[in-house]
Parts: sequence; structure tokens; C-alpha cells
Amino acid sequence: GDSVTQMEGPVTLSEEAFLTINCTYTATGYPSLFWYVQYPGEGLQLLLKATKADDKGSNKGFEATYRKETTSFHLEKGSVQVSDSAVYFCALLNTNAGKSTFGDGTTLTVKP
Amino acid sequence: EAGVTQSPTHLIKTRGQQATLRCSPISGHTSVYWYQQALGLGLQFLLWYDEGEERNRGNFPPRFSGRQFPNYSSELNVNALELEDSALYLCASSFFQGVSYEQYFGPGTRLTVT
Repeated sequence: GDSVTQMEGPVTLSEEAFLTINCTYTATGYPSLFWYVQYPGEGLQLLLKATKADDKGSNKGFEATYRKETTSFHLEKGSVQVSDSAVYFCALLNTNAGKSTFGDGTTLTVKP
Repeated sequence: EAGVTQSPTHLIKTRGQQATLRCSPISGHTSVYWYQQALGLGLQFLLWYDEGEERNRGNFPPRFSGRQFPNYSSELNVNALELEDSALYLCASSFFQGVSYEQYFGPGTRLTVT
């Protein structure tokens, strides 16, 4: 079945540091890939997406590239801010099944 | 544009009771999905409704059920509540385009079973 493996956390960075959160997946077919962010006490917000190989999703300075050859979708940001502190989830969507499969989440804390 | 809304925000029930959670999708979206986010278990897919019909179901017992109404809003019912049903229940919606679409999530309903 489908699965997503995310870099274990928590991750603590200083403001303006470079961020990478690794994500690899196993899936049949050609899933869409997503990064979601969850702030304390809130639901999931879609951060970025990619729907096919070599697509790059980007939003708010965050980027991730759909790498089919390495089955990866690593999240990066060049300069993190305190306001980026949250839990980040990598997910794949099996469009035929309507089912998203999520990684375990990575907690990011950015210190001033 | 209003996002996905869920009610109630918090729900406290006793073991053995029934809980009903509600979700209103984004206007124009015809699909509704339910997920459970339980401590230590991560986010797990529960149900998918599209155009009023159940399209897929996750690995949950039959006491988890739901429905989708003609206005595309949805209801999740959990019967015979157990302590381990305590979780954040997230609803998502999408316009089902078949090949590529994204799911937009609501703020969730926090269910506590005592």
C-alpha cells in the first residue's frame, strides 16, 4: 500500500537558517504530492503541491520537487522565520481512492 | 471565499454514547473526506463522499459512519464511543477532477471520550 516516510523531528533552527525536511514515499501509480502545515490547535493548511514528476511546488518561500527516480519530495526554505514554527506533514494523494496518506509530521521550531 | 467549516469545535462524550460531527465544504466542492488525527497514530483516512455517495472507506469499524447531504455538507457519526476514539477529526473538501485535485482541510472537531 501507499506510505510516506518523513524526517523525524523535532527540528530546531535559528532565524534565517536553511531548512530541509526530507520526505520519501511508496505508491502505486502516479500520486500527487503535498506539503501541509499545522499550527497549534488548528487544522491542516495546504502549503504546496506537485502533480507529476519534476514538478516544483512553491509557496511563501518554501519549495519541493517531485522526484520520481528517488521517490522523494523534500521540503526546503532558504531562510526560516519564527512564524514558520509549526508541524509539517508530507502527503501523497491517491486520486482514484480519494485517500491522502500522511507522514508522521515534523515539528519545526525557529528561535529568534 | 469561505473555507471548510466544521462543528462543533469541541465535543465531550462518555464511553458508549454516540457522537455526530458536521462539515460544510467550500462552495462548489462536491467531495468531502474525513480523517482522524489521534495521538500517536497520525492522520488516518476515514471516509470519502462524492455526490452523495460513499466512494471509499478507510480501515475503521462499522460504528464509524456518515453521509453527505444534497447541499454537499457531511456528517460523521461515531456509535458506541470508545476511549481510543478521542482524537481530532478533520474534514476536507475538493472539487473531484479525477486526475489531479487537492484537498482543503477544515479546523477540525476535537472529540474527547471519557
